[in-house]
Amino acid sequence: EPEVTQTPSHQVTQMGQEVILRCVPISNHLYFYWYRQILGQKVEFLVSFYNNEISEKSEIFDDQFSVERPDGSNFTLKIRSTKLEDSAMYFCASKGVGAGASNEQFFGPGTRLTVL
Amino acid sequence: KQEVTQIPAALSVPEGENLVLNCSFTDSAIYNLQWFRQDPGKGLTSLLLIQSSQREQTSGRLNASLDKSSGRSTLYIAASQPGDSATYLCAVRLSTGTASKLTFGTGTRLQVTL
Repeated sequence: EPEVTQTPSHQVTQMGQEVILRCVPISNHLYFYWYRQILGQKVEFLVSFYNNEISEKSEIFDDQFSVERPDGSNFTLKIRSTKLEDSAMYFCASKGVGAGASNEQFFGPGTRLTVL
Repeated sequence: KQEVTQIPAALSVPEGENLVLNCSFTDSAIYNLQWFRQDPGKGLTSLLLIQSSQREQTSGRLNASLDKSSGRSTLYIAASQPGDSATYLCAVRLSTGTASKLTFGTGTRLQVTL
């Protein structure tokens, strides 16, 4: 069964460093999302991406964040200068489009980001 | 702003019991609602999706209902098993826009004991 994959599973970085989190969405999906979950808190929406541009973003998704689809398969989230409060589990999700496509968002296993 | 709440926050039941998890949302103009399972430190597994025009969806021992006008959904788990132990999340999609975000609830942590 097709699934969303994410790498790495765990990333440890120093405050102020740049990190790139990678996702491979389900192959025929065209809508992509990033969410995060700070330990013990709700899952929060960060950004959605369609047709090579951001469709919607939350107030969390400030200038330190960017997303990119560098090729036909990868979808990345970059944090330019990490802060302690960026420590969280980051989830990628994707959704199909068109007649017959499910409206479900399918989530990857997450990347745990720890900022020291 | 859409707020999603789940009650109870935690639940412990003996194996074999039927149980109900509750989800409420403040804005009834939803497009659909999705129930997820999350195991500790893991990702989100989609269990059921209910469109706003539907009243319920079933998958195996799971049944989800939706009452859009009252802003409520329930997840019914029949004949619970220890393997059902996990956190259950509901999430609503508000807009009819196809790229719309999901707003998640606080989750119910379920433990099924032997």
